[in-house]
Amino acid sequence: GESVGLHLPTLSVQEGDNSIINCAYSNSASDYFIWYKQESGKGPQFIIDIRSNMDKRQGQRVTVLLNKTVKHLSLQIAATQPGDSAVYFCAFNTGRRALTFGSGTRLQVQP
Amino acid sequence: DTGVSQDPRHKITKRGQNVTFRCDPISEHNRLYWYRQTLGQGPEFLTYFQNEAQLEKSRLLSDRFSAERPKGSFSTLEIQRTEQGDSAMYLCASSLITAGGANEQFFGPGTRLTVL
Repeated sequence: GESVGLHLPTLSVQEGDNSIINCAYSNSASDYFIWYKQESGKGPQFIIDIRSNMDKRQGQRVTVLLNKTVKHLSLQIAATQPGDSAVYFCAFNTGRRALTFGSGTRLQVQP
Repeated sequence: DTGVSQDPRHKITKRGQNVTFRCDPISEHNRLYWYRQTLGQGPEFLTYFQNEAQLEKSRLLSDRFSAERPKGSFSTLEIQRTEQGDSAMYLCASSLITAGGANEQFFGPGTRLTVL
């Protein structure tokens, strides 16, 4: 498959460690936020979302934190596994229209 | 598989040729979006439909790009007179918009276009 994000920031973690991926946004009117995972040659895969009236949401092994004061979003992955290796994108929605994607982060999990 | 599907998965064409891509959204979804993604970047919005109505097309890259969703189900994206700069991954996403609901978009696998 073709690589996604050849020159993206890279986070390298050991298998079993926790990972934290960060994202900043600029539009204070953004009201809905999504994290996507993208593997080589594939489309983005939905991971977890959060609305602007929340500051934390948990899923299976993943947690999203939203800080509207500083316009910051983070994705925490617990007990990172080799299958988590991918490029991660945050995306923002304003008024339920199209998504605006942030810059991605490549996560590399070392066995 | 009941996810978003796209066809073809790969397209190689010569500069100046026209190409058309198809997207089949998740069946109950009323919104359909087209995005473009180049290497090292996140997807970039192009246009979207709610049912058969094209609600925003100002972000289409040029007048060579057009999209249709004639019956409110599948959609096509056409690029006329392709240029080498059109080489990219073209992604389709769909969502179900309901009153008070969020805009959770699900993506297809994309069509990789290479213009020689």
